Amino acid sequence: AQSVTQLDSHVSVSEGTPVLLRCNYSSSYSPSLFWYVQHPNKGLQLLLKYTSAATLVKGINGFEAEFKKSETSFHLTKPSAHMSDAAEYFCVVSDTGGFKTIFGAGTRLFVKA
Amino acid sequence: KAGVTQTPRYLIKTRGQQVTLSCSPISGHRSVSWYQQTPGQGLQFLFEYFSETQRNKGNFPGRFSGRQFSNSRSEMNVSTLELGDSALYLCASSVTGRTDTQYFGPGTRLTVL
Repeated sequence: AQSVTQLDSHVSVSEGTPVLLRCNYSSSYSPSLFWYVQHPNKGLQLLLKYTSAATLVKGINGFEAEFKKSETSFHLTKPSAHMSDAAEYFCVVSDTGGFKTIFGAGTRLFVKA
Repeated sequence: KAGVTQTPRYLIKTRGQQVTLSCSPISGHRSVSWYQQTPGQGLQFLFEYFSETQRNKGNFPGRFSGRQFSNSRSEMNVSTLELGDSALYLCASSVTGRTDTQYFGPGTRLTVL
């Protein structure tokens, strides 16, 4: 069975400090993993995806995520937060056939000036 | 390339009515997936269409249905609306399916009174 858990519902950081959004997953198969961002009243935008190539995945806007199979984690990081990063972030796991796609509950990121 | 478009953007209906939402995918994308997003349940997968065939279905009642046309445009229909159907309905398109990068539309916000 597949599942995805975003460990924090809210994260608050100061502008210029690092961002860490945590995601643990469970999958019976080698999964595809994604991070999406949703700004208020907007659709979701892909930040990055992991599909069994390099374990460190670089995405847009300076975000990256590391796939750690031993820890079943796929945490999202950014070295320095910007005010425009304030949004909701979703970790997504999909099986290799794409038959099941599960979204995490989301983590809302607040960035303080 | 134009992005995913959804119409209408906002809709207000009353209980018992039915509603049809439309999604136009990115040109060349054959997969269209529909999601329901609510504050309480988060993002939930409704169904996916690929080349006019429903390929996968989430755990929603039969009141929720959809179809895809030969030009890959998709419609979603909800009959006998209930208050709990109030949500943001998101459509996503991709070239091959949900293990591929999905591109989301801005959503249709449905309010049921």
